[in-house]
Amino acid sequence: DAEITQSPRHKITETGRQVTLACHQTWNHNNMFWYRQDLGHGLRLIHYSYGVQDTNKGEVSDGYSVSRSNTEDLPLTLESAASSQTSVYFCASSTANTEAFFGQGTRLTVV
Amino acid sequence: GDSVTQMEGPVTLSEEAFLTINCTYTATGYPSLFWYVQYPGEGLQLLLKATKADDKGSNKGFEATYRKETTSFHLEKGSVQVSDSAVYFCALGVNQGGKLIFGQGTELSVKP
Repeated sequence: DAEITQSPRHKITETGRQVTLACHQTWNHNNMFWYRQDLGHGLRLIHYSYGVQDTNKGEVSDGYSVSRSNTEDLPLTLESAASSQTSVYFCASSTANTEAFFGQGTRLTVV
Repeated sequence: GDSVTQMEGPVTLSEEAFLTINCTYTATGYPSLFWYVQYPGEGLQLLLKATKADDKGSNKGFEATYRKETTSFHLEKGSVQVSDSAVYFCALGVNQGGKLIFGQGTELSVKP
């Protein structure tokens, strides 16, 4: 069965370190998204991609970057982790005509 | 800009009670509307959707009707179960392709 997988599921890192969260989908979807979930805010869009070599900033992109070198993967990098980036991160994918399918999430703690 | 507002939780109900979770939206154009559900420790799953005005989405006993005149997409279920305990998110799709704007989520707790 097709799926979308995030790794790691849990991560603790120190302030100032670079961190990369992985997202891999086997749906062959063109569109991929990264959201963060914080209490009282729902999910907010960080970055998204509509295809290979395409990336776009979302609502809360400061301090984050993504790259899309193939259809299956959209890694999210925190250039210099900050305590404000402690959150649960969700990756999602879709086609132009389907709803978004979500991964299980990565809980990131910055200490 | 586009936005979604949900009723605040947590909502606590007894088993077999009637559920309504209010959702209103602001959008330009003609968005699609969604309800997603998140069970503890899991990602989001699509519960139901509606793509145009007056459409009714339904799944697992849940229903929501796309009301353009009131810009609403309220979630209802006639008789909730303990297994419905979860966080429910209302979302709008600003264009085709999965880019979503979410409400803040409503936690539902159903007691036996």
